[in-house]
Amino acid sequence: SYVLTQPPSVSVAPGKTARITCGGYNIGSKNVHWYQQKPGQAPVLVIYYDSDRPSGIPERFSGSNSGNTATLTISRVEAGDEADYYCQVWDTSSDHVVFGGGTKLTVL
Amino acid sequence: QVQLVQSGAEVKKPGASVKVSCKASGYTFTSYYMHWVRQAPGQGLEWMGVINPSGGSTRYAQKFQGRVTMTRDTSTSTVYMDLSSLRSEDTAVYYCARTVTTTRGFDYWGQGTLVTVSS
Repeated sequence: SYVLTQPPSVSVAPGKTARITCGGYNIGSKNVHWYQQKPGQAPVLVIYYDSDRPSGIPERFSGSNSGNTATLTISRVEAGDEADYYCQVWDTSSDHVVFGGGTKLTVL
Repeated sequence: QVQLVQSGAEVKKPGASVKVSCKASGYTFTSYYMHWVRQAPGQGLEWMGVINPSGGSTRYAQKFQGRVTMTRDTSTSTVYMDLSSLRSEDTAVYYCARTVTTTRGFDYWGQGTLVTVSS
């Protein structure tokens, strides 16, 4: 089955740029979606189709996807961005949704 | 506005079954797939399966095959997730979430339903 690998944690100072990676075999050929989840809340879609932002999501959130790595980039990080972030794809070979293990973003 | 409202928390004994509901409003119910995703305490997101409310077809994650059943009631715009033979490892928050196509991201989620399995 298809596996997505994320770093367990990323730390960044306020105002700096955070990059969260999502590794998978030939992930560049798939559509990658990213979710933000704060404690006690349901996940929120922040990036879909690799780099599109839903309405209401700040422009500070962006995404890219190529080769074996997709990346969520958060510019000018704020304290409110502290959360768990998950990548997700639809694996066409199994017709299953696959989530990455999640990355805890800590704002120092 | 789009809303997915789930049923309340449940406490079940090992071996029992649980049925969680997800009532949709604010959009055309049959135009979006509905998925179920669960999250064990302190763990990540785990996909359980999807139902097409239009025809009722389903696809389940291999891990849950034989234990999960997803159904829908178009008259009330509600989907249901039934999980049987519960064990302590099934203790989790269960979410419903919709997608316009199977490959698109989940744009709306329910508030989650905590299912606790304990003797």
